[in-house]
Amino acid sequence: RKEVEQDPGPFNVPEGATVAFNCTYSNSASQSFFWYRQDCRKEPKLLMSVYSSGNEDGRFTAQLNRASQYISLLIRDSKLSDSATYLCVVNIKDTGRRALTFGSGTRLQVQP
Amino acid sequence: DGGITQSPKYLFRKEGQNVTLSCEQNLNHDAMYWYRQDPGQGLRLIYYSQIVNDFQKGDIAEGYSVSREKKESFPLTVTSAQKNPTAFYLCASSIWAAGLSSYNEQFFGPGTRLTVL
Repeated sequence: RKEVEQDPGPFNVPEGATVAFNCTYSNSASQSFFWYRQDCRKEPKLLMSVYSSGNEDGRFTAQLNRASQYISLLIRDSKLSDSATYLCVVNIKDTGRRALTFGSGTRLQVQP
Repeated sequence: DGGITQSPKYLFRKEGQNVTLSCEQNLNHDAMYWYRQDPGQGLRLIYYSQIVNDFQKGDIAEGYSVSREKKESFPLTVTSAQKNPTAFYLCASSIWAAGLSSYNEQFFGPGTRLTVL
């Protein structure tokens, strides 16, 4: 099982739609969670951190479900500019490695 | 403006050559990282450094080497021992939360695309 798993998509949605992505992680001791956005042939950029209580930033809402070991990202009122790949990022705690682990990403295509 | 710079943007290498990718940051971050991304795949960690003069292997360190002589700089050398070096290389930095169990978000440079001819 991969440490961080995401549905690769693509998710094709019309403008104005609401879309949600899930990401599962394997290590129950993980404590830090992030969503990054990556445009084609560009570097990833931080979209938002994910807090235990859930958090919202404008049209974007992130949730954490520790019991089921997944995080989610909800995008409301999708814009054409939201088209990108969304990377789920988790710290995988083990004794030999102190770094973040990136999922392979979920591609979103918002259509006019 | 604070940020991370990588150079060159595009790099072409002949088989058997070593090449060095530059990464500089002026964010005053302690930690720096190198990742490799192949088409349609996620980022894989090559090396990371928590502090000057110290670095750790990531998941795919074979065929790569790094140095951390200055806080601002973390160059990556792709050696001839790396069998399939064509990829998108990303450098990142973060505040290092030593002693804490949480991890801080990482900020990325624009990347270097390496192609082996």
